[in-house]
Amino acid sequence: EAEVAQSPRYKITEKSQAVAFWCDPISGHATLYWYRQILGQGPELLVQFQDESVVDDSQLPKDRFSAERLKGVDSTLKIQPAELGDSAMYLCASTPQWSPHEQYFGPGTRLTVT
Amino acid sequence: QQQVKQSPQSLIVQKGGISIINCAYENTAFDYFPWYQQFPGKGPALLIAIRPDVSEKKEGRFTISFNKSAKQFSLHIMDSQPGDSATYFCAASIKSNYQLIWGAGTKLIIKP
Repeated sequence: EAEVAQSPRYKITEKSQAVAFWCDPISGHATLYWYRQILGQGPELLVQFQDESVVDDSQLPKDRFSAERLKGVDSTLKIQPAELGDSAMYLCASTPQWSPHEQYFGPGTRLTVT
Repeated sequence: QQQVKQSPQSLIVQKGGISIINCAYENTAFDYFPWYQQFPGKGPALLIAIRPDVSEKKEGRFTISFNKSAKQFSLHIMDSQPGDSATYFCAASIKSNYQLIWGAGTKLIIKP
């Protein structure tokens, strides 16, 4: 069964350092989402891609966060500099074109900023 | 109007019992209502979903009941098992952008 891949699974970084997360969506899924989930809360959308184009990044803190999906396949989310409040689970999801409502999530990257 | 309100925040059910989680929404433009199940340290997994032209959908032990006039929908887990212990999120989306609006989640514990 195809799955969304994310790496690393866990990341510990110091405040003010740069950190990057990688996501490889299910093959053929054109839409990709990045979410942030704080423990005990629902996922919060950060950015939505359609192929290589950003559809919505209105909730992305652009002073420190950036996201790209250069070839319309895998994607990278970067934080620079990391702050203590960035500690969270970062989730990637993708959707198939034939069923664009159905989002399939990866295992996430647990970020701890010290 | 973009909110989805979920209750209860936590729920304890005996093994074999019925677990019921409720959600309510305001935006009548929502046209897809999924439920996600999330285990600790994992990403959410799509469990079951319904569209507003259907009042009920059943998949195994999981049933969504949908009340369009009341703008409410609920998840019923029949014969609840300890393996069902997880956090459950309801959500809603609209066709214009397919983005999910999430409920706050319900932590379900099934006692053996």
